[in-house]
Parts: sequence; structure tokens; C-alpha cells
Amino acid sequence: QQQVKQSPQSLIVQKGGISIINCAYENTAFDYFPWYQQFPGKGPALLIAIRPDVSEKKEGRFTISFNKSAKQFSLHIMDSQPGDSATYFCAASMRVIVTDKLIFGTGTRLQVFP
Amino acid sequence: DVKVTQSSRYLVKRTGEKVFLECVQDMDHENMFWYRQDPGLGLRLIYFSYDVKMKEKGDIPEGYSVSREKKERFSLILESASTNQTSMYLCASSFILAEGNTIYFGEGSWLTVV
Repeated sequence: QQQVKQSPQSLIVQKGGISIINCAYENTAFDYFPWYQQFPGKGPALLIAIRPDVSEKKEGRFTISFNKSAKQFSLHIMDSQPGDSATYFCAASMRVIVTDKLIFGTGTRLQVFP
Repeated sequence: DVKVTQSSRYLVKRTGEKVFLECVQDMDHENMFWYRQDPGLGLRLIYFSYDVKMKEKGDIPEGYSVSREKKERFSLILESASTNQTSMYLCASSFILAEGNTIYFGEGSWLTVV
């Protein structure tokens, strides 16, 4: 019930195309949904995040779409660039006692070819 | 700049050895986390802590323990290392996530148990 399911596992996109990564969750106690980007040899870094009271959030070429009733959220990368090639993780957070428990999806390896 | 520092980047240990992974953050964050990252499995939460001497089990605590004697330091302990604990370990810290704060990751500790 605390899982976050992420798909696809890998994605190949041509430069200028749209990359779409999907995530789904079961537990309605989750109240914060971030996306992380990870380059080889580095720790994940926050890319963009959304709360469940908002259906969409856009930051530059990155957009999160959130469907509360379906318990799904997705990351769209517009005009994908080779520099976007990285592993992307969705995540979901809930309050546990006085702290936060952050659960990650299994990751999507994105490759953008020129 | 927020810094989460993992003191050991690469370690090789023998089966049965006691292993300490140290993590220090410089932002006075309440929350600290330990994850392990394995291909195809994403980031799995081992333990998390919201205050000195306080800890909560994550999803895969078996074979691990933690220590938080000071607010800025969170240690992961493998009491008797086994080969199935070969992985990359990521430490992270944050203020309260539900208030829109960001979780910051260290660069990871690659542990090989032989």
C-alpha cells in the first residue's frame, strides 16, 4: 500500500521530443509528490514537486500532471535535450508521527539522442 | 549551499565485518534518511530519523541499525555485513517535507561486501 509504481523502466527519445514518465500510488495519505533527477555517480536532486490540491505544475520544460482521483501523476519533459539524459525517480511522502516518510519509484532511465 | 556529506565514497568489506557509514548535514535539518539504491529497485528506505536519538524503521531495516547522537550526524551500521548488502547507500536530510521543503542527498557510498 505504500508502494509507488513507476513506468517505463527506460525511455529513448529524440532531441526535441516529449518524454513522459508515469507513476501511480495507492495510499491516499501521501501528501507531497516530488520528482528527482539523478546523473551517474551523483545523488538524486529535486527537479519539481507537486501537492495533491494542484492538478498541474510547470517549471520551464518540466511539467507534473496530477490526477488525484486516479492516484496517478506524471512528468512531462518538453523539447527533450541530450543533457536531460539521466535517471528520473518519482516519489511520494506522508507524515509519520512527527516526521516524513519518502517512498521512491523504481526509476526511469531516459536517453535523449541528438 | 546545503551539504550532505557521506564520508566514504567507496568501501570494500569482508563478510561478517561491522560496517559504519557516516553522514553529516550542515543545514540543521530535523529529518535524516538512509536509502539503498539497486538497479531496477529504485531507492528503498532503510531507516529515518526526525530528532536526536529518535529513529523509525523504513521498508527494509533488516540487517541494519542507525545512530543519531547529534542532530547533524546520522550513521548507518551493518552489524555483520553480508554479500546481499552490496549496494549504493544514499543519505539524505530535510526540513518537514509536507511544508514544501526539499530533501537533499549526499553523493552516495558504494559498498562492496566480498
